[in-house]
Amino acid sequence: AQSVTQPDIHITVSEGASLELRCNYSYGATPYLFWYVQSPGQGLQLLLKYFSGDTLVQGIKGFEAEFKRSQSSFNLRKPSVHWSDAAEYFCAVGAQAAGNKLTFGGGTRVLVKP
Amino acid sequence: EAGVAQSPRYKIIEKRQSVAFWCNPISGHATLYWYQQILGQGPKLLIQFQNNGVVDDSQLPKDRFSAERLKGVDSTLKIQPAKLEDSAVYLCASSLALSGSGELFFGEGSRLTVL
Repeated sequence: AQSVTQPDIHITVSEGASLELRCNYSYGATPYLFWYVQSPGQGLQLLLKYFSGDTLVQGIKGFEAEFKRSQSSFNLRKPSVHWSDAAEYFCAVGAQAAGNKLTFGGGTRVLVKP
Repeated sequence: EAGVAQSPRYKIIEKRQSVAFWCNPISGHATLYWYQQILGQGPKLLIQFQNNGVVDDSQLPKDRFSAERLKGVDSTLKIQPAKLEDSAVYLCASSLALSGSGELFFGEGSRLTVL
């Protein structure tokens, strides 16, 4: 069975500072990995995804994530945070063998201080 | 390209009443998913359709929840009778197929409050 852990429930960061959100997954084979962002009252928007190949993945809005198989991690980073990045971020794991349905982590809420 | 459409956006009902949510996926997307997102938690899969067939409904509380996708396009999720713990956002998502990139596209969700 697939599972995802996001250890940090809340993170507060100053505008302009760097951001890193942690994600650990459990899956027996090579997974598909995703990061989604959810603003209040909105649906989920895909930031980036990893299927295979280069383990450093670039996404929208200046985000990137690195897949580390040895650590079962897929951490999300942004070098300089903007106030508009305040939102909830979800890591998810999927697999073709599992019909591509996604299993989500519990989310990390990011607050941005001016 | 139009995204995933859901309605209603908000619904307030009393416990033991019934409610239905509607979803229209992106045109051409064969796979449709319903997720339940309780406040403060990540989305949890309720049911997955491929065209008009059910692929996975193992997490659907079948004593009160039902879902259908009769013509393989839009879908309806029903709750009858509703309980307090059903208060959540119900997210619909679609993808091109069971195989492939695995990317899911989400609607804005239907927020249910059960009093």
